Amino acid sequence: LAKTTQPISMDSYEGQEVNITCSHNNIATNDYITWYQQFPSQGPRFIIQGYKTKVTNEVASLFIPADRKSSTLSLPRVSLSDTAVYYCLVAALKAAGNKLTFGGGTRVLVKP
Amino acid sequence: NAGVTQTPKFRILKIGQSMTLQCAQDMNHNYMYWYRQDPGMGLKLIYYSVGAGITDKGEVPNGYNVSRSTTEDFPLRLELAAPSQTSVYFCASSNPRGGNTYEQYFGPGTRLTVT
Repeated sequence: LAKTTQPISMDSYEGQEVNITCSHNNIATNDYITWYQQFPSQGPRFIIQGYKTKVTNEVASLFIPADRKSSTLSLPRVSLSDTAVYYCLVAALKAAGNKLTFGGGTRVLVKP
Repeated sequence: NAGVTQTPKFRILKIGQSMTLQCAQDMNHNYMYWYRQDPGMGLKLIYYSVGAGITDKGEVPNGYNVSRSTTEDFPLRLELAAPSQTSVYFCASSNPRGGNTYEQYFGPGTRLTVT
């Protein structure tokens, strides 16, 4: 499983855009990039997943450059309720068990 | 759908005691997982199952056992509890034949303290 590196923490203010970059230098051809969000005392929640270029859904965008060695999760116009830990994961397509490896995550604090 | 449910929410064990953490899902997912999360850390995979009757070890299986007799249930057994097993335990499920291969649905967690 590819190892990921992301910042330990980030601070932001309400209404700003938050960008979290994750490095995954040894990503394999079959690996997808997935981001999860975790609030205190809750289980993680899936945010977005991508393979290459850009993916957008109702809560976030995911930017993946051509070499796929990094990815950036973009949270537009954050609110206080976006304060959480965000995990970047890579997982192989159709790997047995679809196992995910969680790193330490990025602790995002949104201030008023 | 209730999604993924876990019981109990909290438990305090004495060293050497045993217990079973219950996990159930009503989404007809084939894959189920058990993770533990220590304070300030990411989740670590303990065991997983790709279907009824099939289980396999994850990253940190020592001190735990699992079984999967039905699609819905995936209990985690702790034998001879140790302080190192103090953690929050999360159960999750996923359906790789569904629309999103890697979306795992997590339960609310069980906070276990071993003293």
